[in-house]
Amino acid sequence: QVQVQQWGAGLLKPSETLSLTCAVYGGSFSGFYWSWVRQPPGKGLEWIGEINHGGSTNYNPSLKSRVTISVDTSKNQFSLSLKSVTAADTAVYYCAREDLVGATNAFDYWGQGTLVTVSS
Amino acid sequence: EIVLTQSPATLSLSPGERATLSCRASQSVSSSLAWYQQKPGQPPRLLIYDASNRATGIPARFSGSGSGTDFTLTISSLEPEDFAVYYCQQRSNWPPGFTFGPGTKVEIK
Repeated sequence: QVQVQQWGAGLLKPSETLSLTCAVYGGSFSGFYWSWVRQPPGKGLEWIGEINHGGSTNYNPSLKSRVTISVDTSKNQFSLSLKSVTAADTAVYYCAREDLVGATNAFDYWGQGTLVTVSS
Repeated sequence: EIVLTQSPATLSLSPGERATLSCRASQSVSSSLAWYQQKPGQPPRLLIYDASNRATGIPARFSGSGSGTDFTLTISSLEPEDFAVYYCQQRSNWPPGFTFGPGTKVEIK
């Protein structure tokens, strides 16, 4: 059974760097892409970016200049860094596994979510 | 970039009623569309993939249809646990990435 657990700082000041880590237990880590998705309070879902075990990444163009996603295959972990945060970055951040389900790339396992609040 | 729109924004129904949710893509995504259910305080749960296939463990009252640009999620008879927000999602090859629709909230009337 795949389990996805995430952690990181929940309160940041403007201009600081957001850092979150996601660990995967059970199942294969190397056979998948792993993503970060965020959700501002009361709003919809926004994809941030993805990484595979080899370190290949893709980012949402709207966040690309501030985002870095990295991987530690020895620990089956991947991490999100978002620099120069503002109040607009306040959201619940999720990590998730992507799978090719049929012919559709979809997210089948999710972390529990981390609320990150940016406030002075 | 493919944009997904969902309608209605809110659907007010009673338990036992039929719910019909719509998702429209700005250009064809073939049948590569997924639907998710999200309840407060929880991550989304995959319901439907390939526009019409139920994910593992999803009850038969959930069904999906459509292809190209127009898709529908139908809940045949609402159970109390089905009141939630529903999102559609697709993946683009260029630029590579995922987009979600804005969501439809199914609330108790």
